[in-house]
Amino acid sequence: QVQLQESGPGLVKPSETLSLTCTVSGDSISNYYWSWIRQPPGKGLEWIAYLSYSGSTNYNPSLKSRVTISLDTSKKQVSLKVNSVTTADTAVYYCGRSSTGFEFDSWGQGTLVSVSS
Amino acid sequence: DIVLTQSPDSLAVSLGERATINCKSSQTVLYSSNNKNYLAWYQLKPGQPPKLLIYWASTRESGVPDRFSGSGSGTDFTLTISSLQAEDVAVYYCHHYYNIPYTFGQGTKLEIK
Repeated sequence: QVQLQESGPGLVKPSETLSLTCTVSGDSISNYYWSWIRQPPGKGLEWIAYLSYSGSTNYNPSLKSRVTISLDTSKKQVSLKVNSVTTADTAVYYCGRSSTGFEFDSWGQGTLVSVSS
Repeated sequence: DIVLTQSPDSLAVSLGERATINCKSSQTVLYSSNNKNYLAWYQLKPGQPPKLLIYWASTRESGVPDRFSGSGSGTDFTLTISSLQAEDVAVYYCHHYYNIPYTFGQGTKLEIK
């Protein structure tokens, strides 16, 4: 059974770059679609980006100018970078997998990132 | 962007009773070319990874108990739990994947009465 484990810095200062990693175990990283989704404290879920195994990407237009999603197949990791963070980027960040490119059939437990000086 | 509005925001149901959560979309999520509704439902519990319950509006994910069912088409959808169990206490979200950006409903908190 696939397991997804997010990791990140925990605390980031405003204007800095946030880097997150999702490590995949128990299954291949190929032949799937990978997404990042976040949940600010007390709020709902927000889809950020997805990346197909073939390398195609799609981003939420509200974040597109600041985010980059990437895949390292040798390390079985999916990464997300968010530039120029503000307090509005404080959230639990989830990694999600899709077999079809649509619904997320597996998720990680999430990692909390706080943006504060 | 497609806006998904769930109702109610919170719900308290007695054990063994039916729970119904609604999700209304600001535009259709039904693709006429394949007659599929591009909508899913998830269950979120504290400290656990979110769990996919339903996709294509009414297809139950493997391993999900059959007391969970999804229905609806076009813009109006429903998640039904036929007989509430204690382990169903959670927040439930609908999600569309009809176009970019994918969006989620605001969530419905389900509790035991």
